Amino acid sequence: ENVLTQSPGTLSLSPGERATLSCRASQSVSSNYLAWYQQKPGQSPRILIYGASSRATGIPDRFGGSGSGTDFTLTITSLEPEDFAVYYCQQYGSSPYTFGQGTKLEIK
Amino acid sequence: QVQLVESGGGLVKPGGSLRLSCAASGFTFSDYYMTWVRQAPGKGLEWVSYISTTSSFTNYADSVKGRFTISRDNAKNSLFLQMNNLRAEDTAVYYCARGTYIFYWGQGTLVTVSS
Repeated sequence: ENVLTQSPGTLSLSPGERATLSCRASQSVSSNYLAWYQQKPGQSPRILIYGASSRATGIPDRFGGSGSGTDFTLTITSLEPEDFAVYYCQQYGSSPYTFGQGTKLEIK
Repeated sequence: QVQLVESGGGLVKPGGSLRLSCAASGFTFSDYYMTWVRQAPGKGLEWVSYISTTSSFTNYADSVKGRFTISRDNAKNSLFLQMNNLRAEDTAVYYCARGTYIFYWGQGTLVTVSS
């Protein structure tokens, strides 16, 4: 099983700041099949990024994904108030597919 | 528009069984892999299982292997999860989702395993 470890567990920032979230895999992610999701309280998750760096339809361009192999990053260039949420990475390159434990992005 | 509506959740005793259903609409169901993801109260997302378009391929998380069975009925645009020998740690909201990387999620159905 490919274990995904996200860091930090909690990130405290202010609107307008840049956020950098990390996802590290225990094994190389096949074909860089890595996705990022955002989840707000009481809501289903929403996909942001797939294929490590492709932005999903309707996602603002302040969200960007990068990385390959075992190290991946989600960057939010200038935080908006609605961006404060929990973020998960998911690998779908090898079964069983797995999620990271999440990073909570909170307002400082 | 794409809709995924789960049903079948509820309270069940340890060792009991439950069958979840997901009604899909707004897309060609038979064209997509389908997935179940769960989320325990206050916890993160856990991938549970997927099934291929023609049911030829299925896969399960180690935590549910041998107890849960995923299936689908393409004629009825429906996805299922048969859950047997349920444990307290299976308590979660169960989401039906389209694809292996997930663009569309249902609203979830709560399964509570407790005596």
